[in-house]
Amino acid sequence: AQSVTQPDIHITVSEGASLELRCNYSYGATPYLFWYVQSPGQGLQLLLKYFSGDTLVQGIKGFEAEFKRSQSSFNLRKPSVHWSDAAEYFCAVASSSGYSTLTFGKGTMLLVSP
Amino acid sequence: GAVVSQHPSRVICKSGTSVKIECRSLDFQATTMFWYRQFPKKSLMLMATSNEGSKATYEQGVEKDKFLINHASLTLSTLTVTSAHPEDSSFYICSALGGGVRTEAFFGQGTRLTVV
Repeated sequence: AQSVTQPDIHITVSEGASLELRCNYSYGATPYLFWYVQSPGQGLQLLLKYFSGDTLVQGIKGFEAEFKRSQSSFNLRKPSVHWSDAAEYFCAVASSSGYSTLTFGKGTMLLVSP
Repeated sequence: GAVVSQHPSRVICKSGTSVKIECRSLDFQATTMFWYRQFPKKSLMLMATSNEGSKATYEQGVEKDKFLINHASLTLSTLTVTSAHPEDSSFYICSALGGGVRTEAFFGQGTRLTVV
């Protein structure tokens, strides 16, 4: 069965500093990988996704993620964090069977300090 | 981008009553919708997959008689929590599959259910 691990429950970053959120997955074949952001009391918004091709994926709001098969990782990065980026971030994996197989990590809460 | 609207955003109900949550795809047709439950400090857990015009497929451990799902049209799926109990209090989120050639799952804003 596929699974997703987000090792950091919460991370605090200073505004303007760089950010990296870690995500490791377990899946036997080539996974479909996603990063979602959830603001308090809100649903999820897709930041970016990887299906195939270039392993460095650009997303919205200045985020990017890199798929590293050898490390089973799909870490999310942003060069300069803004206070509005404070939210919970979820990494997710799906199989080629589609979105019914979407499996989420437990999330990483990002706090942004002034 | 595609919009999914979930209603109500929060609801408080008494134990033993039933609550209906609606999930609408506003600008696209969604043959498939998903219902998730999110516990505090936990990930989203898929409860069921709802396909228009057919019975929902429930995940293991989810009581289908308690969580009634109806997907009567291509733009509307409903989740009814029957005979609600305090342990059913949670954040429920739906997503709808759509987007044409760029198919992806679009999420509603969620419903905070509190059973008192």
